[in-house]
Amino acid sequence: GAVVSQHPSRVICKSGTSVKIECRSLDFQATTMFWYRQFPKQSLMLMATSNEGSKATYEQGVEKDKFLINHASLTLSTLTVTSAHPEDSSFYICSARSSGNPTDTQYFGPGTRLTVL
Amino acid sequence: KQEVTQIPAALSVPEGENLVLNCSFTDSAIYNLQWFRQDPGKGLTSLLLIQSSQREQTSGRLNASLDKSSGRSTLYIAASQPGDSATYLCAVRAQGAQKLVFGQGTRLTINP
Repeated sequence: GAVVSQHPSRVICKSGTSVKIECRSLDFQATTMFWYRQFPKQSLMLMATSNEGSKATYEQGVEKDKFLINHASLTLSTLTVTSAHPEDSSFYICSARSSGNPTDTQYFGPGTRLTVL
Repeated sequence: KQEVTQIPAALSVPEGENLVLNCSFTDSAIYNLQWFRQDPGKGLTSLLLIQSSQREQTSGRLNASLDKSSGRSTLYIAASQPGDSATYLCAVRAQGAQKLVFGQGTRLTINP
């Protein structure tokens, strides 16, 4: 199946700093990318959907100025957590889908564990 | 608003047993339904995707069925193995929608 990578896999930062997480589709062009966060023992919560070259569509309750999403190319999307605080500590997972994929499967990255001290 | 429910929340069975995981959704106007597996601290691995026009999909020991009219899907795992232990998530994509709506997952433990 298609491969989606995330970098870094784990990051620890001080409160008030900004953290950037990269999501790449390695062997296909991702026309749409999604960013999720997951709390322990809970399901995934969609944060935003981004289409290449367009502004991201954020879910209700997600602060777009705090979670900056850029989808500048068909293989790369970034999530920047600005002025991170301890409550932003979570597992962030990206996902990608290609419009050219006949099965329309959505592929997920391995996740990034963010810990804000 | 689409809601997805998975029952049971947790399941523990001896190795070798066949088992069924259940997923139900409230709005039958779906585009597709996808089953995923998640190991602790990891991302999601896609297992099977069923288009709205399909009734089932099979991959190895896994078989997923879809009954749109009743709003249900099942994931059947044959001859379970300890390596099957993981959380299984079902997700639905509605007609005309971009995003997936996830269930809460079933945490499966296969005991040797």
